[in-house]
Amino acid sequence: AQSVTQPDIHITVSEGASLELRCNYSYGATPYLFWYVQSPGQGLQLLLKYFSGDTLVQGIKGFEAEFKRSQSSFNLRKPSVHWSDAAEYFCAVGGSGSARQLTFGSGTQLTVLP
Amino acid sequence: GAGVSQSPSNKVTEKGKDVELRCDPISGHTALYWYRQSLGQGLEFLIYFQGNSAPDKSGLPSDRFSAERTGGSVSTLTIQRTQQEDSAVYLCASSGGGTPYNSPLHFGNGTRLTVT
Repeated sequence: AQSVTQPDIHITVSEGASLELRCNYSYGATPYLFWYVQSPGQGLQLLLKYFSGDTLVQGIKGFEAEFKRSQSSFNLRKPSVHWSDAAEYFCAVGGSGSARQLTFGSGTQLTVLP
Repeated sequence: GAGVSQSPSNKVTEKGKDVELRCDPISGHTALYWYRQSLGQGLEFLIYFQGNSAPDKSGLPSDRFSAERTGGSVSTLTIQRTQQEDSAVYLCASSGGGTPYNSPLHFGNGTRLTVT
């Protein structure tokens, strides 16, 4: 069965600082991997996705993520955080088979200090 | 264009009552998903509809939960005899029907259900 672990429930960073949100997954084959962001009062928005190819993927809003197969990780990064990045971030894993649902992690709440 | 619309945005109900939650997907999207978001629990898959195929109900937590999708468009999630543990945000998403990679999910803002 597929699973996703986001070990950090809550992270606080200062505006302008760098950010890394951790995600570890378990999946039997090559997974689809995703990061979603949920801003207050908003639906989940896709930040970026990975399936194959270059292991460093670029997303919207200046985010990037790196796939590391040996570590079963797909960590999200941003070089310089903006106050508007305060939100909850979800990592998700999916497959290409008949089961099309995504399995989500429990989320990481990001607070940005001025 | 219009996104995924869910109604109501908030619902408070008494324990034991039935509730219906509605989802209007993006026009033309053939796939529709329901997820439940409980505090500190992340998103839990409930059910998936794809076109005219039999739905994937593998995530429904009990037989009190059911969902329909009429005419391949609007979907209704029904919870019978609600319990306090059903309190959560219920999210609907739709997509073009391919894999989640090729056809990204578009989420609604959710329905916050509170069972008192």
